[in-house]
Amino acid sequence: AQSVTQLGSHVSVSEGALVLLRCNYSSSVPPYLFWYVQYPNQGLQLLLKYTTGATLVKGINGFEAEFKKSETSFHLTKPSAHMSDAAEYFCAVSAARGAQKLVFGQGTRLTINP
Amino acid sequence: DGGITQSPKYLFRKEGQNVTLSCEQNLNHDAMYWYRQDPGQGLRLIYYSQIVNDFQKGDIAEGYSVSREKKESFPLTVTSAQKNPTAFYLCASRGSWVETQYFGPGTRLLVL
Repeated sequence: AQSVTQLGSHVSVSEGALVLLRCNYSSSVPPYLFWYVQYPNQGLQLLLKYTTGATLVKGINGFEAEFKKSETSFHLTKPSAHMSDAAEYFCAVSAARGAQKLVFGQGTRLTINP
Repeated sequence: DGGITQSPKYLFRKEGQNVTLSCEQNLNHDAMYWYRQDPGQGLRLIYYSQIVNDFQKGDIAEGYSVSREKKESFPLTVTSAQKNPTAFYLCASRGSWVETQYFGPGTRLLVL
């Protein structure tokens, strides 16, 4: 079975600072990993995903994430935070083959300080 | 434009009342999902459907029902048996042979 742990329910950074949102997963099979972003009162939007191949994945809005199998991690980063990055971020995992369901983390709310 | 629509955006339920949330997609996706979102609890799966006329319970199906009579539609009914229905409800869909789920804009259900 798969599970996801997002470390830190709230993260606050200054505008222009590095953004680091942590995600650790548990999976008995090679995983597919996802990061979604949710703005207030809206649905989830896919930021990026890892399936196979290159372990450093680039997504929209300048975000990227690195799949580290040895650490069972898929942390999300952005070099320089922008006010528009303020949102809630969800990490999710599914089994690589034939999975019908995603398992989501609890979410991390990102606040950007001016 | 292809996408997922949910209606209404806000829905109010009186005690003892059943209410139905609409989810429609024109992405030609086979699989559809309903999630419930509560503050600090992430997304929890209510029901999902892989094909027309078939659906499976998720982790929190009690007090909810669904139907899948058409590929593009997957309505969710919140029954009177659901004692704590106040939440944000999200519908998602997924194409065959891919793992990415795409989400609608959500419906917020409030109890009067």
